Amino acid sequence: DAGVIQSPRHEVTEMGQEVTLRCKPISGHDYLFWYRQTMMRGLELLIYFNNNVPIDDSGMPEDRFSAKMPNASFSTLKIQPSEPRDSAVYFCASSEAGGGDEQYFGPGTRLTVT
Amino acid sequence: AQSVTQPDIHITVSEGASLELRCNYSYGATPYLFWYVQSPGQGLQLLLKYFSGDTLVQGIKGFEAEFKRSQSSFNLRKPSVHWSDAAEYFCAVGARGYQKVTFGTGTKLQVIP
Repeated sequence: DAGVIQSPRHEVTEMGQEVTLRCKPISGHDYLFWYRQTMMRGLELLIYFNNNVPIDDSGMPEDRFSAKMPNASFSTLKIQPSEPRDSAVYFCASSEAGGGDEQYFGPGTRLTVT
Repeated sequence: AQSVTQPDIHITVSEGASLELRCNYSYGATPYLFWYVQSPGQGLQLLLKYFSGDTLVQGIKGFEAEFKRSQSSFNLRKPSVHWSDAAEYFCAVGARGYQKVTFGTGTKLQVIP
């Protein structure tokens, strides 16, 4: 298996622009997670899905952030409009089952908003 | 709510020396505990996990961790560190039937010759 795939790996955009991050989880994994990592706040869970359904989005910082999972093999995290404080590394992870099963992380997308 | 504390932000050890990274958790019941490693520019990779049973857990790359309920700790150890172990290490806590896992702030390990 290729593991969790994220694209793009790097994104540089100007403030106010829309940004879309993409994730393909490992086939057969029922859970998908979006995290944000910054020096100041560490690794934060933004949202997670179970069988394509959003379960907990309490970590989404504000309405500018939205996430979708239209099918079992694809998810997007969208920021509109983007702001400089959104600059971070965004990780997608997937796991096979619930109850604290191992999460497999993608390589991350480094977002820079100027 | 569950939480995890990694008191050491940065640790430097000599190659071949032993290593212990500290992790303390807060959770009312028996937690699920994890250690992940992140190499520069990479995502996190699971080193080991504790769910129940033997409190000494063996992981990949020669790492082990010991669950001590009385101290609410889950420290990571390695008897002899290799230069390739230089990375950032994250402790995490979860719970039975609850998919969210809370990560600590990480400990960055530097290995010197």
